[in-house]
Amino acid sequence: AQKVTQAQTEISVVEKEDVTLDCVYETRDTTYYLFWYKQPPSGELVFLIRRNSFDEQNEISGRYSWNFQKSTSSFNFTITASQVVDSAVYFCALTVMNSGYSTLTFGKGTMLLVSP
Amino acid sequence: SAVISQKPSRDICQRGTSLTIQCQVDSQVTMMFWYRQQPGQSLTLIATANQGSEATYESGFVIDKFPISRPNLTFSTLTVSNMSPEDSSIYLCSVIGQADNYGYTFGSGTRLTVV
Repeated sequence: AQKVTQAQTEISVVEKEDVTLDCVYETRDTTYYLFWYKQPPSGELVFLIRRNSFDEQNEISGRYSWNFQKSTSSFNFTITASQVVDSAVYFCALTVMNSGYSTLTFGKGTMLLVSP
Repeated sequence: SAVISQKPSRDICQRGTSLTIQCQVDSQVTMMFWYRQQPGQSLTLIATANQGSEATYESGFVIDKFPISRPNLTFSTLTVSNMSPEDSSIYLCSVIGQADNYGYTFGSGTRLTVV
């Protein structure tokens, strides 16, 4: 079975601070995908990134960056120079490549509050 | 990636009634999933909706309570039956496109309140 742990329930920062959201996963499969989603107060889930288990390169997209480390089973997400619009719940998720069937396992989410 | 239209976006319902949520995708997709997100909680998979066969339900969810239809490769419905206040949640559909088996897209969600 798969498991995703987001130990930080809530983080509060002041605008322009950098913030890192932690994600630790568990799986026995060697081939899997990791995801980050953003859920603003309106409720929709916004896709941020997908990373497969064979690609350990870190990725940067604007103010967002992701650090994937298989050695520690972690896939952390950093927002640089945070903004009020970054306030949302962020979910880390995992899926494995079972033949013909794939489901997402979500962490409990981290609520990020960015104040002006 | 696929674009999903989910309806209704929100509803307030009386206990004991049923609500059907629709999920329409702008392209044919292999797999569709229905999730529930209870207040302040993470997403929990209800079932996987496969075209031409019965939905596959996760532990704790049953067809009598959450009947699902998947008449074609672009559409699915989830019904929440005989509702109680405990069913108040956000319900989301999700798809994986045929061309990209691990590209998950989510609908905008249905915020259900049962009174």
